[in-house]
Amino acid sequence: DAGVIQSPRHEVTEMGQEVTLRCKPISGHDYLFWYRQTMMRGLELLIYFNNNVPIDDSGMPEDRFSAKMPNASFSTLKIQPSEPRDSAVYFCASSLVLGGANTDTQYFGPGTRLTVL
Amino acid sequence: AQSVTQPDIHITVSEGASLELRCNYSYGATPYLFWYVQSPGQGLQLLLKYFSGDTLVQGIKGFEAEFKRSQSSFNLRKPSVHWSDAAEYFCAVGSAHFGNEKLTFGTGTRLTIIP
Repeated sequence: DAGVIQSPRHEVTEMGQEVTLRCKPISGHDYLFWYRQTMMRGLELLIYFNNNVPIDDSGMPEDRFSAKMPNASFSTLKIQPSEPRDSAVYFCASSLVLGGANTDTQYFGPGTRLTVL
Repeated sequence: AQSVTQPDIHITVSEGASLELRCNYSYGATPYLFWYVQSPGQGLQLLLKYFSGDTLVQGIKGFEAEFKRSQSSFNLRKPSVHWSDAAEYFCAVGSAHFGNEKLTFGTGTRLTIIP
């Protein structure tokens, strides 16, 4: 398997612009997670999906952030409008099962490094 | 709420020396514990995980970790480090209860290897 695929790997944009980050999870995985990593706050869970349905979006920082999972093989994280403080590395991860005795490993993509000028 | 503390932000070790990275967790029930490694510019890779059973867990790349419930710790060890082990290491805790799928990560420990 190719693993979790994220695109683009790097994104540089200007404040106020819309940014869309993309993720393709590992085939067959039921869970998809979006994380943000910064020096100040470390690794934060933004939102996660189970079978394409958002389960917990309590980590989404504000309404400028939105995430969708239209099908089992694709998810997007959108920031509109973007701000300089959104600059971070955004990771997507997927897992087969999580929770209970069948808790599985999360597999991470390589990340998208976002710079908002 | 579950939480993870990695008290060491940065550790420097000589190549060939032993290594121990500390991790303390806070969780009200049986935790699931993980160690991930992140090389520069890469995503996180699982080193090992503990769910139940033997409290000494073996992982990839020669790493092991020991779960100590009495100390709420899950420290990562390696008897002899290699220059390729230089990376950032994250401890994470998850719930043993179905329906709580979040993992909570520590802030990470950066490992530097000197010749």
